[in-house]
Amino acid sequence: DIQMTQSPSSLSASVGDRVTITCRASQSISTYLNWYQQKPGKAPKLLIYTASSLQSGVPSRFSGSGSGTDFTLTISGLQPEDFATYYCQQSYSTPLTFGGGTKVEIK
Amino acid sequence: QVQLQESGPGLVKPSETLSLTCAVSGYSISSGYYWGWIRQPPGKGLEWIGRIYHSGNTYYNPSLKSRVTISLDMSKNQFSLRLSSVTAADTAVYYCTRGHTLNWFDPWGQGTLVTVSS
Repeated sequence: DIQMTQSPSSLSASVGDRVTITCRASQSISTYLNWYQQKPGKAPKLLIYTASSLQSGVPSRFSGSGSGTDFTLTISGLQPEDFATYYCQQSYSTPLTFGGGTKVEIK
Repeated sequence: QVQLQESGPGLVKPSETLSLTCAVSGYSISSGYYWGWIRQPPGKGLEWIGRIYHSGNTYYNPSLKSRVTISLDMSKNQFSLRLSSVTAADTAVYYCTRGHTLNWFDPWGQGTLVTVSS
């Protein structure tokens, strides 16, 4: 199985901050990497697919980059509605696996 | 707009079989994509359970493969999950979702909590 490791596991930030979350795969996955946002009590929501493609309807302050084993999700100008937990997911091979999550909290 | 809605018992006894259904609206499941299940134990991360293509072909997480069955009901535009011989470790919120060719998931159902307890 491909292991996905996210860092940090949590972070505190203020509205307007630039936030970067990292995801590392245990082997190369090209750009088969997706990002989700999950708010408490809600289902995950797709933000980014294939490492850098923005899902329709997702604000442009969200961006993704990376290839191979190292990926980043960046939120440029954190908004109050962005406080949530973020998960990466590899879509390179089965079993499909997720990172452990990064909780973004209000400072 | 495609919508998914899970349904099924919220409480299952140990050693019994968990059964959930996902009703799909706004899209015919026979038209394409694939359909899958993902679960999340309380306070923990996400685990992929498996998927079924509109052709009926299935793929399961090897960690659950011996206990999982996913099936389609084209006439009702829904798909189902069965997980046998459950234990407390199977307590989780279960999500149904639509899978895309390159294996991202969108949209998701709202999720349903299944507790395994006697």
